[in-house]
Amino acid sequence: GAVVSQHPSRVICKSGTSVKIECRSLDFQATTMFWYRQFPKQSLMLMATSNEGSKATYEQGVEKDKFLINHASLTLSTLTVTSAHPEDSSFYICSAINRTPSGANVLTFGAGSRLTVL
Amino acid sequence: DQQVKQNSPSLSVQEGRISILNCDYTNSMFDYFLWYKKYPAEGPTFLISISSIKDKNEDGRFTVFLNKSAKHLSLHIVPSQPGDSAVYFCAASVNSGGYQKVTFGIGTKLQVIP
Repeated sequence: GAVVSQHPSRVICKSGTSVKIECRSLDFQATTMFWYRQFPKQSLMLMATSNEGSKATYEQGVEKDKFLINHASLTLSTLTVTSAHPEDSSFYICSAINRTPSGANVLTFGAGSRLTVL
Repeated sequence: DQQVKQNSPSLSVQEGRISILNCDYTNSMFDYFLWYKKYPAEGPTFLISISSIKDKNEDGRFTVFLNKSAKHLSLHIVPSQPGDSAVYFCAASVNSGGYQKVTFGIGTKLQVIP
């Protein structure tokens, strides 16, 4: 089945530094990838839609200069948290659309990246 | 405004019994509904989906029922197994700007007691 690989799974950084998270579709091409964020005991919140070869579409309230998204190829999207602060500590998850034989557009998720900003 | 609601934060079920997880939605434009299972510190795993034109979809121990008039769907797991213990997210999707935009509920934590 479709596999989405996300790296790193855990990262700890100092406040003010930038962190890059990679999301790769391993056995299928993904023109569109999605980045989610999950706070403890809360739902997955869509941050932005990453489109291959074009600018990402950000959800309301998400700072595009803070969360830089690059989707340079059909199998790779990256999320860079710039000048990270403790409030950016969260679980970030990427996903890509995979179409099932029944025609459903199913999101295949990466394993997630736990970011801790000290 | 939460368009997908899972009102039960947790559910405990005895092994072998049926688990019923419920989900309500408000947006009548949703055209696919999905259930995901999530273990701690992992990404969600797709479980089962249903198109808005159907009212039931079954896959092994998992069955999803959709009641469009009530804007309600449910996931039935029977028989429940301890390995089913996880957080289950209900999700709904709608075509937005050429791609399927997916909205998630807050999740229901299922505990299957051996």
